[in-house]
This record gives sequence, structure tokens and C-alpha cells, in this order.
Amino acid sequence: KAGVTQTPRYLIKTRGQQVTLSCSPISGHRSVSWYQQTPGQGLQFLFEYFSETQRNKGNFPGRFSGRQFSNSRSEMNVSTLELGDSALYLCASSPGSQGAGYEQYFGPGTRLTVT
Amino acid sequence: QKEVEQDPGPLSVPEGAIVSLNCTYSNSAFQYFMWYRQYSRKGPELLMYTYSSGNKEDGRFTAQVDKSSKYISLFIRDSQPSDSATYLCAMTGSSNTGKLIFGQGTTLQVKP
Repeated sequence: KAGVTQTPRYLIKTRGQQVTLSCSPISGHRSVSWYQQTPGQGLQFLFEYFSETQRNKGNFPGRFSGRQFSNSRSEMNVSTLELGDSALYLCASSPGSQGAGYEQYFGPGTRLTVT
Repeated sequence: QKEVEQDPGPLSVPEGAIVSLNCTYSNSAFQYFMWYRQYSRKGPELLMYTYSSGNKEDGRFTAQVDKSSKYISLFIRDSQPSDSATYLCAMTGSSNTGKLIFGQGTTLQVKP
């Protein structure tokens, strides 16, 4: 099976712009979670989607949003970019009929740089 | 105070050594405990997951969970240079949530 794929892999944006990142989960996985990874804060949970519904949300401002499509593919959007949004954004998918969160498989990430 | 504490290292050991990596946590609701390995400029790779207390072994890797002490460990036997990476512990309280709480990660270097 193909792994989790994320596009684009690298992105450079300017403060104030918005960005959309895409994630394709492993075939058959219905749960998709997003994380932000920075050197200072480590890996922090953004949100999780299961069967097109947001199931969990982390402590990030409303500028961060996401959605999931019927084929389980997911996108996340960050509006009004700030310098502090520079990070590696990771997507993970989970198997199982309920989405087994303890068995998450990560993609390679999208490296976002905000200038 | 963070919910999950992990010594960031770096930890440097000679090839063939036994490596011990540890995390402590404060939330007694955590039931599932995971270890991930992350190579530079890659996404985390799931090594093992454990439910509740006890040991789990997979090849050269052994995970231990002591819920009474809120302490988890990952042991790597016969460490290899290819084991050089950052090791992240992660935890969650429920099976059907994708919200994982991660430690900061420990950077391990295995020298030939």
C-alpha cells in the first residue's frame, strides 16, 4: 500500500497570505489528523477528521481550519499567515472502523516558511 | 508544565550499546502509549504502541509502561548507526481519537 502523501512538500509564503495544504491518507483509512512541528514546541495536534467530520480540535486559533472529503483526502488552510506559522505540517492517517488513534501513520510533511 | 516530558538529549552511544529512552507524563487518563522514530527531514515512523501497563517486544525494541509511576521507556538492544534519529513518545486516552500528545523527542546518535 502507498503511504500517506502530502503536497506540496515545500512552500514559501509572505505574511498575510493564506495557504492550503493537502493530504492523501493510506487507502482505506478514514481518520486524518494534522500536526504542527516546530523546534520550540515540538509536535502539536491541530485537528482530526473522521468521515468528513471534525472529531477533535487542538488549541490553535481560528486561522487554522481543515476539511475532509468523501474519499478521506484532507486539506488544511491557514489564513493571514504569521511568521510564527513557519513549521513542518504533518498529516497522519489511522486504520479501523472508528479510526484507531494509537496507530497513526505519518506523511513526510509540508515545510512552510513564512517571510 | 507539559503533559509529557522527555529529555531532549542528545544521547550518544557506541554501536552495540543498549539504549534507554524515557518519558514521564502527568495525565492519568492516558491509556495508549506510542513510540515514533523520526529521521531528519522525514515524518515520524510508528515503532510500537502499547495499551495500559506492561511490556511489548518487537525485534531489538522493547517498550515498557508503568502507569503507577506515569513512566514509559523504550529500550533498543544492539544499537546500530542506522538507529540514529529522534525518538518521540506519544500518548492518548482513548482508542478512537487521533489527538496524540507528544514528548519533545530525544535525539540519539549511535557511533560506529
